[in-house]
This record gives sequence, C-alpha cells and structure tokens, in this order.
Amino acid sequence: NAGVTQTPKFQVLKTGQSMTLQCAQDMNHEYMSWYRQDPGMGLRLIHYSVGAGITDQGEVPNGYNVSRSTTEDFPLRLLSAAPSQTSVYFCASSDSSGANVLTFGAGSRLTVL
Amino acid sequence: GENVEQHPSTLSVQEGDSAVIKCTYSDSASNYFPWYKQELGKRPQLIIDIRSNVGEKKDQRIAVTLNKTAKHFSLHITETQPEDSAVYFCAARNAGNMLTFGGGTRLMVKP
Repeated sequence: NAGVTQTPKFQVLKTGQSMTLQCAQDMNHEYMSWYRQDPGMGLRLIHYSVGAGITDQGEVPNGYNVSRSTTEDFPLRLLSAAPSQTSVYFCASSDSSGANVLTFGAGSRLTVL
Repeated sequence: GENVEQHPSTLSVQEGDSAVIKCTYSDSASNYFPWYKQELGKRPQLIIDIRSNVGEKKDQRIAVTLNKTAKHFSLHITETQPEDSAVYFCAARNAGNMLTFGGGTRLMVKP
C-alpha cells in the first residue's frame, strides 16, 4: 500500500493563478481531510469529507474548494492564489467515517509570489 | 467551533528527565483526543490517543491523561531521549467529526 500520496511536493505560483493539489489514498478510508501548516500556527483544517459525495468546511475554508467524487481521491483547488496561501499543505485520511487515527501524506509546499 | 490551546510552545529538558505538555479544549462534546509527533521536515504521526470514556492511557514511556470536567488533557513523556526531540501536537475531535489541533510544542531533549 502506498498510503496517502500527495502531488506535487513543491509548487510556486504567482498571485491570481489557479492550481490543484492532488491527494489519493489506497486504504479504502472513508474520511479525508486537508490541513495547512504555517510556522507557529499548528495544523488548521481547511476542508474534510466523511465519504464520497460529501464535503464540509473546516476552520479556514476561504479561498479553497474541494470535491470527493471517489473514495480514493480528494483534490484541493486554489481558484485564485494569494500570498496568504503560502504554506505547507497536508492531506490526511482515516479508516472510519469520523476523524480517528489520521494517516498523513508527505505534504505539499506551496509558495505564492 | 472547537478551540484547542496547547502549552508550552517550547520545552527544553535534559535527557532522562520527564516532559509534560498540556492542552485545553472548548467543546464539551469532544470525545477523542490524539497526540501527534512531527519530526523536522516530516509528516505528523500518531503517538498515542485517548477517548472520552477513559481517564488515562499509557504506552511504554508515553502517557496521556484526560480530565473531562476541566476540559484538559496532558501528554507525559518519561526518561526522555534525544530522539524524542520534535514538535508535538494535541488535537480534539468534536461531535461534527472535525479534528482541531493545538498550536504545537517544540520539545528539545539535551544530551
């Protein structure tokens, strides 16, 4: 099993550009989530999903969209990138419909100029 | 929504000493409290967790205690080793299945 796979690992964007961070898991986990990690701020929940076709907003959803068309994939879209979205993004999944033991991806470092 | 506060933000101990990290949460309906360890440049990994129907849980040198009345929980690491140096995060899951993290504690164990 590959676990949770995130791509890309690094990305540099200009303000106003759009992009999608990909997240895929091969563990048949129902629960998937996206966090951003900023220095001194810990991990903040952006969006989460308890199953295919269901998504919910977390603590900091503004500027981000998600969809969950399959159990395996949970992409995070930035429609118009801003410098405030410079961060490390982690995708995580869990083996139940609730947020139990999270398995994290390796992270994606995004810089918005 | 849930608010999780974690203290201290940095903690320096001598090898062999104990380390204690404390967290408080705001949502009395929260029922699951995990702790994650993140080494430099790596992803967070679960080290121990506790559910609301348990007051204490221990795994070798690591223990977690939960006081639901006071809405706080703590991580205890005994006989610290240099490889314990990392950032530790507490978290709380509320009834809406949102897992909210504390701000993290950077633990430094001096040999």
